[in-house]
Amino acid sequence: GDSVTQMEGPVTLSEEAFLTINCTYTATGYPSLFWYVQYPGEGLQLLLKATKADDKGSNKGFEATYRKETTSFHLEKGSVQVSDSAVYFCALRGLTGGGNKLTFGTGTQLKVEL
Amino acid sequence: DAGITQSPRHKVTETGTPVTLRCHQTENHRYMYWYRQDPGHGLRLIHYSYGVKDTDKGEVSDGYSVSRSKTEDFLLTLESATSSQTSVYFCAISKGDREYEQYFGPGTRLTVT
Repeated sequence: GDSVTQMEGPVTLSEEAFLTINCTYTATGYPSLFWYVQYPGEGLQLLLKATKADDKGSNKGFEATYRKETTSFHLEKGSVQVSDSAVYFCALRGLTGGGNKLTFGTGTQLKVEL
Repeated sequence: DAGITQSPRHKVTETGTPVTLRCHQTENHRYMYWYRQDPGHGLRLIHYSYGVKDTDKGEVSDGYSVSRSKTEDFLLTLESATSSQTSVYFCAISKGDREYEQYFGPGTRLTVT
C-alpha cells in the first residue's frame, strides 16, 4: 500500500538558517503530494502541493519539488523564522482506493530559535 | 478558511460512556473525514463520508461509528469510550481540483478517564 516516510524530529535551527525536511514515498504511478503545517493547538493547514513529476509547489517561502526518480518531496525554506516553528506533515493522495483519502507521514517538529 | 467547526473543543468523559463529536461545514462539500492524532502515529483515518448516508471505514475504525444525515454535519460516536481513545480528533473536508486537497477543523481534545 501507499506510505510516506519523513525525517524524525525535532529539528532545531537558528533563525535565518536553511531548512530541509526530507519526505519519501511509496505509491504506484504518480500520486499527488502535499505538505501540511500544524501550529500548536490548531488543525493542519495545507502549505503546498504538487500533482505531477517535476512540479514545484511553493507558498510562504517554502518550496518542494516532486521528484519521481527518487520518490521524494523534500520541503525547503531558505531562511526560517521563529514563527515557522510548527509540525510539518508530508502526505500523498494515491491512485488506488476510493474516498480521496490521504496517507500522512508521522510529522516532523521544527523549532526555530533566536 | 474552509468553514469547518468542531464541537465540543474539549471533553473529559469516563470509561464506558458514549460520546459524540460533531463536525459542521458551511460549504457543502461531498467528502468529509474523521482522523485521530496521537504522538508517534501522525494522523490516522477513522471513517469518511462521500455523501449523505454514504460512509466507509478507515484504518482505525474499531470502536467508532459515524453518521451523516445532512451534507453539512458529520458525527463521530464512541459507543463505549475507552482510555485508548484518548486523543485529539480532527475533522476534514476535501475540495479543489479533483477534490484531493483536504482542509481541517480546529480539533477536539478528548480525554477518557
